[in-house]
Amino acid sequence: QVQLVQSGAEVKKSGASVKVSCKASGYSFTNYGIHWVRQAPGQRLEWMGWINTDSGNTRYSEKFQGRVTITRDTSASTAYMELSSLRSEDTAVYYCARTQPVAGSIYFDGWGQGTLVTVSS
Amino acid sequence: DIQMTQSPSTLSASVGDRVTITCRASQSISRWLAWYQQKPGKAPNLLLSKASTLASGVPSRFSGSGSGTEFTLTISGLQPDDFASYYCQQYNTYPLTFGGGTKVEIK
Repeated sequence: QVQLVQSGAEVKKSGASVKVSCKASGYSFTNYGIHWVRQAPGQRLEWMGWINTDSGNTRYSEKFQGRVTITRDTSASTAYMELSSLRSEDTAVYYCARTQPVAGSIYFDGWGQGTLVTVSS
Repeated sequence: DIQMTQSPSTLSASVGDRVTITCRASQSISRWLAWYQQKPGKAPNLLLSKASTLASGVPSRFSGSGSGTEFTLTISGLQPDDFASYYCQQYNTYPLTFGGGTKVEIK
């Protein structure tokens, strides 16, 4: 079955960077896009960006442009999200999520379990 | 960015009730709308895509309708497992955006 397994919780200081991994199994990794979505405490879900796991092309939300980098390692069926210059407002649960290969179907039919990133000053 | 507004933010209901959640987009998104259910401490789970297409394994008591800027999610015959939060998401335009959520509570 489709599984996306993320790395464990992180505690970081303000100004630091964090890198979260998302290992896929149960499907052909390069056939589906991987997106990153975060959810701060009590807040709505917030889209950060995505990677075409086949080509490696990326697209980021303007809100995070310059601070977020999404990469993938096809040999390990793993995607990564790195967020730099962390501030307290970045404290959130970060999810990876899979999208269908069909053009225009940019909704999420599989999610990782989430990774809590806590930023302290 | 397209703003997504859900109402109500909280809904109290009883088992067996029919409940309706509304999601409004700040501009037309055709039918490019998905609905998710999220339980505390868990990742969201896809319920419907393209406004009304039920995802695999989702019970038929869930249904969706709408197009343009106004959409609804209906649960016909609320079950104990349905007490959760629900989110809409537009995928007409980047950046993808979500509604603020509706928490369905036990009355």
